[in-house]
Amino acid sequence: KQEVTQIPAALSVPEGENLVLNCSFTDSAIYNLQWFRQDPGKGLTSLLLIQSSQREQTSGRLNASLDKSSGRSTLYIAASQPGDSATYLCAVNGGSTLGRLYFGRGTQLTVWP
Amino acid sequence: DAGVTQSPTHLIKTRGQHVTLRCSPISGHKSVSWYQQVLGQGPQFIFQYYEKEERGRGNFPDRFSARQFPNYSSELNVNALLLGDSALYLCASSLEGIDKNIQYFGAGTRLSVL
Repeated sequence: KQEVTQIPAALSVPEGENLVLNCSFTDSAIYNLQWFRQDPGKGLTSLLLIQSSQREQTSGRLNASLDKSSGRSTLYIAASQPGDSATYLCAVNGGSTLGRLYFGRGTQLTVWP
Repeated sequence: DAGVTQSPTHLIKTRGQHVTLRCSPISGHKSVSWYQQVLGQGPQFIFQYYEKEERGRGNFPDRFSARQFPNYSSELNVNALLLGDSALYLCASSLEGIDKNIQYFGAGTRLSVL
């Protein structure tokens, strides 16, 4: 069974810092990995999708990397802003069962001015 | 263009009751998936439907059922509600089967069981 772990569980930083959020998964037989943002009480917003054949994806201040063989992904946030405060979720597609997303518990990020 | 829409946004039920949650996918998307997110945890997969057929089912009891209509909208039904069913229920749609494409999520339905 695929298990996804995210570290740290919570992070509080001053504005302007560069951040790294970590995600690990137990079964490397994945099709893709997706990073989401979730604001309190809201749904999920897709940030980045990395296919299993790719090493990284970039969108604005966000960069996600994937090392499938070691079962790891990182989300790098450059020059953090208070508006980045949210919970960030990592989800893998594939593994032991085709056609479902396995989520971590998320990293709760607070960026203070 | 409208994103994934879910209704209702909030719902309060009592134990033993039945509930129906609704989801409309993004126009052109034929795949709909349902997830349950309990407070403080990541979403858990419940069902996936593609072209009106069930493509996958998570580890949930038979009290949970779903269906997809010809217009690709979907309903999630939960019978004999338990306190533990209180959660945010998320619907996601994608262009084809979940194996390749980005999942777009709705805002969710917050279900409280008293």
